[in-house]
Amino acid sequence: DTGVSQDPRHKITKRGQNVTFRCDPISEHNRLYWYRQTLGQGPEFLTYFQNEAQLEKSRLLSDRFSAERPKGSFSTLEIQRTEQGDSAMYLCASSPWTTGAANEKLFFGSGTQLSVL
Amino acid sequence: DAKTTQPNSMESNEEEPVHLPCNHSTISGTDYIHWYRQLPSQGPEYVIHGLTSNVNNRMASLAIAEDRKSSTLILHRATLRDAAVYYCILRGNAGGTSYGKLTFGQGTILTVHP
Repeated sequence: DTGVSQDPRHKITKRGQNVTFRCDPISEHNRLYWYRQTLGQGPEFLTYFQNEAQLEKSRLLSDRFSAERPKGSFSTLEIQRTEQGDSAMYLCASSPWTTGAANEKLFFGSGTQLSVL
Repeated sequence: DAKTTQPNSMESNEEEPVHLPCNHSTISGTDYIHWYRQLPSQGPEYVIHGLTSNVNNRMASLAIAEDRKSSTLILHRATLRDAAVYYCILRGNAGGTSYGKLTFGQGTILTVHP
């Protein structure tokens, strides 16, 4: 068990550019979540997948954001036409969804820090 | 979603017990109380969770009030590595409004002094 892996750890981009982040969940975990966190705030939910199906998207996830989880394994989060307000830590988490929401434990990666100049 | 209220910050000395409070007066009968913590420059990590009875694990203890409107996370002997932001989160069962996603608040910043 190597934990949730996120790549890259840091990304600096210019406003208007597209960026893509990757998340590799813990093997056999069928749920995968994306969160965004700005300085001094708790993580904000963006979206989550159960296997390859995207089950919920936050209203925070504008049309410029898209997430995929082909084949139910790794996931990518793409931000198109980045804006300075997109600067944040993007966190990925996975869980072995077996016993229901009440007992679900999420395992988080260390995140990708995005800076939009 | 049922809401939780935590103090913005708390301080403790190393090797002393720490009691982190959480109020959740609108908790529903099926909501579980979860605690996560986030160390600097890391993603959150699960600490403990419970429904009605007090819970213990290797990391901490969770004391839940009889009316379930509040709970306390107890670190029995704080170490410098326990300095983190601690989040108290309500988690419902399938079909409830909190089903599917974990909703974080601001949490409590714990500072541990040597």
